[in-house]
Amino acid sequence: QKEVEQDPGPLSVPEGAIVSLNCTYSNSAFQYFMWYRQYSRKGPELLMYTYSSGNKEDGRFTAQVDKSSKYISLFIRDSQPSDSATYLCAMRVDTGRRALTFGSGTRLQVQP
Amino acid sequence: EAQVTQNPRYLITVTGKKLTVTCSQNMNHEYMSWYRQDPGLGLRQIYYSMNVEVTDKGDVPEGYKVSRKEKRNFPLILESPSPNQTSLYFCASSEYRDRYNEQFFGPGTRLTVL
Repeated sequence: QKEVEQDPGPLSVPEGAIVSLNCTYSNSAFQYFMWYRQYSRKGPELLMYTYSSGNKEDGRFTAQVDKSSKYISLFIRDSQPSDSATYLCAMRVDTGRRALTFGSGTRLQVQP
Repeated sequence: EAQVTQNPRYLITVTGKKLTVTCSQNMNHEYMSWYRQDPGLGLRQIYYSMNVEVTDKGDVPEGYKVSRKEKRNFPLILESPSPNQTSLYFCASSEYRDRYNEQFFGPGTRLTVL
């Protein structure tokens, strides 16, 4: 079983919809949680990050972490065609290695 | 412009022919890392380096070597490539002191080993 599970999609939504992306994980030692966005033929770029449990909002994006359920979410409001990309959740424990454990990514398509 | 560069971007080679993928960053980051990305498996760390002359294995180091002689460069070496190393490779760098370790990724190198 993978440490981080993520539905691969693809997820297709109309422009303006609210999008919900999710990951579940098994390692209770994970403390730092991140969402990366990856456009086709590009490297991932950091979108949101949170520490431990709670919510964080940045413009149209909201990240939620529920450590009791080992579940993290990314919500995108008023989705735009430019949001079409693969979204990767990532997380890590608090050690010197700083290694990120990634989900396999969810491909999102926002239809104009 | 702050960036991580990788070369080459695309490479087709044959089994056993040694190759090097270069990685360079201009952000003075201490931490550098190599990942491979395979369908359904996400990104997996191959090797990482916390500073010059300090490198260590990640999750999937078999068949790879790295070196860190200068802060800005972190080449990935495949001494005897095999077809199961066909993958998309990403180099990343970050400030080690950054608690979130925001990693800045290069554009990727698509490697095919025949």
